[in-house]
Amino acid sequence: GQQVMQIPQYQHVQEGEDFTTYCNSSTTLSNIQWYKQRPGGHPVFLIQLVKSGEVKKQKRLTFQFGEAKKNSSLHITATQTTDVGTYFCAGPNQAGTALIFGKGTTLSVSS
Amino acid sequence: NAGVTQTPKFRVLKTGQSMTLLCAQDMNHEYMYWYRQDPGMGLRLIHYSVGEGTTAKGEVPDGYNVSRLKKQNFLLGLESAAPSQTSVYFCASSYWRDTEAFFGQGTRLTVV
Repeated sequence: GQQVMQIPQYQHVQEGEDFTTYCNSSTTLSNIQWYKQRPGGHPVFLIQLVKSGEVKKQKRLTFQFGEAKKNSSLHITATQTTDVGTYFCAGPNQAGTALIFGKGTTLSVSS
Repeated sequence: NAGVTQTPKFRVLKTGQSMTLLCAQDMNHEYMYWYRQDPGMGLRLIHYSVGEGTTAKGEVPDGYNVSRLKKQNFLLGLESAAPSQTSVYFCASSYWRDTEAFFGQGTRLTVV
């Protein structure tokens, strides 16, 4: 069946260091979404990428969608303690009727 | 706007008991979803609905049933709870299939 995989599962950085999480799908995706879940909270939508090779920025966050539309990445520049949480990528299931999530990358930041 | 509201927020069940989790959204969204979240497993889709009166199985549907009699409500039922169903359950909704999903606050369920 369709799989959405994320690496790494955990990442610890010192405040100010950069962070990247990678997402790979077993099938071509029509779009990919990224969510952030703070500890004890619920997932919150960050962004959606639709076009092949698309790059979008939100302040210190840079999102990329691969040319083949099977992979994506989220890069955070100069991490802050407020970046702590779990980052999920999500893509449509094969029928295109529901969102399938990766297992997430949990980021911890020490000051 | 309340967004997506889940009730209850916490529940402890004994093995074999039944319960229903309620999800309500006030955004007139067509799509609604139930996910479970377990450590290291991410969010796994249990069941979903693409509109009032419809339901479909997700990745891990066994042991659960759902109903969507009204557009704004999506119910998740456990007929005979098992310890393996101890988890955090999230409901989500979206306007359409490729649009942003809004999540509820979650229900922490423990089955003993």
